[in-house]
Formats: sequence, structure tokens, C-alpha cells
Amino acid sequence: DGGITQSPKYLFRKEGQNVTLSCEQNLNHDAMYWYRQDPGQGLRLIYYSQIVNDFQKGDIAEGYSVSREKKESFPLTVTSAQKNPTAFYLCASSMQGGSYNEQFFGPGTRLTVL
Amino acid sequence: SQKIEQNSEALNIQEGKTATLTCNYTNYSPAYLQWYRQDPGRGPVFLLLIRENEKEKRKERLKVTFDTTLKQSLFHITASQPADSATYLCAPEVGYGGATNKLIFGTGTLLAVQP
Repeated sequence: DGGITQSPKYLFRKEGQNVTLSCEQNLNHDAMYWYRQDPGQGLRLIYYSQIVNDFQKGDIAEGYSVSREKKESFPLTVTSAQKNPTAFYLCASSMQGGSYNEQFFGPGTRLTVL
Repeated sequence: SQKIEQNSEALNIQEGKTATLTCNYTNYSPAYLQWYRQDPGRGPVFLLLIRENEKEKRKERLKVTFDTTLKQSLFHITASQPADSATYLCAPEVGYGGATNKLIFGTGTLLAVQP
């Protein structure tokens, strides 16, 4: 089955802790993205990567970090510097970067800070 | 800055009718616009992409229009079914051309089709 997976589905974190969200795709896509979705707001871009070992900040990158060491994997770390991390996090991939390519989304990870 | 507006109120329609959802954008001119469907607690699913030189695009019961003068896209579902109930997201592109373009997502419109 080709697709994009995220784990875990639900994640709870104590204040002050870093936490890493996993995102894996077996679609052989070059580009990968991380979005955050809050109630009543659209998806907001955190980071994106168009190729292995390269990534760019999106609109709300503060308090987050990423790596892209393998084509299939794009983990997101939510650091303690992120002031309001409770949200629904979505990972996506596309064949190449650029908005003329459809994005394939994972099932999401719901992060709650206790 | 770029702004995307979709109907914030839910759209309730009767099964079999045509649903029409609106997406307005301001302060820029996207070359492409995508529409996605999102079910509760799940990731969005791509539906259609329309380019600025295409006035209309169809896929089965779905139709999208793109009016660059009005800065508006309309999304139609004909012969709607209860299974069409979901949130529909509009996503115009923004960027500088080529591979650096990104999507800006609207907040979405919740469609509820009553049997």
C-alpha cells in the first residue's frame, strides 16, 4: 500500500518537554510538508522540504525543528520554545515542490500539552 | 498579506440538490488553486486543481470555477449525497514561481447533506 503515515495518532506532553512527531511516505515523493491545524483556522505551514537534506521555514516555524536525512522521512520536533503546541499536526507530501502538484496528507497527530 | 475567505457558516442542503461553496482571496493573484475535502479527525484529500487560464474544471459530480477578475473560486457538487458531508478547503497558491510556490489554506466550509 502506497501512502503517508504519521505516528502516534495521539500524543500527550508535559510542559517543558520536547516531542518528535513521525512522518513516513513510500510514494517516492521529493517534497514533504508539515502543517498545523487549530479549530476555526486553516492549515498553517510550519516547514517544508523539496529535497533530501534541505528544508525551509514556513509561516509559523518558531518553536519547531525538522530534519530530512532520508527521502521517505520528515520528522517534526516540537520544542519547549513553542508557546502553544496543542494542535492537530498534519504531514503531507507531493511529487515535487510547487503548488501545481497535489499534496497527499497523512492521518494526522493530535498533540495535547498537559 | 494574502487573505483567503470561505463561508464560515455550515452549508445545509437537501440530498439531490447542488451545493455551491465559495472561496474569495484578496491581495494577490494565484496562478493555481486547489480544493480538498477533509473529514473529521482526518487529513485532507485532494479533489481538483484549476489554473488561472482555465475558467472551469469538472470531475464526475464536481465542478470548480476560477474567476481571476472577481478573485473568486466556486466549488459545486451536483446531485449531492449524504456521503458528501465534510469540510471543503480552498487552497490558492502563493509564491514566486516554480518549485518555491506554496499553498495557503482557507478555514474551510462545512457541508451537511440531509437525506
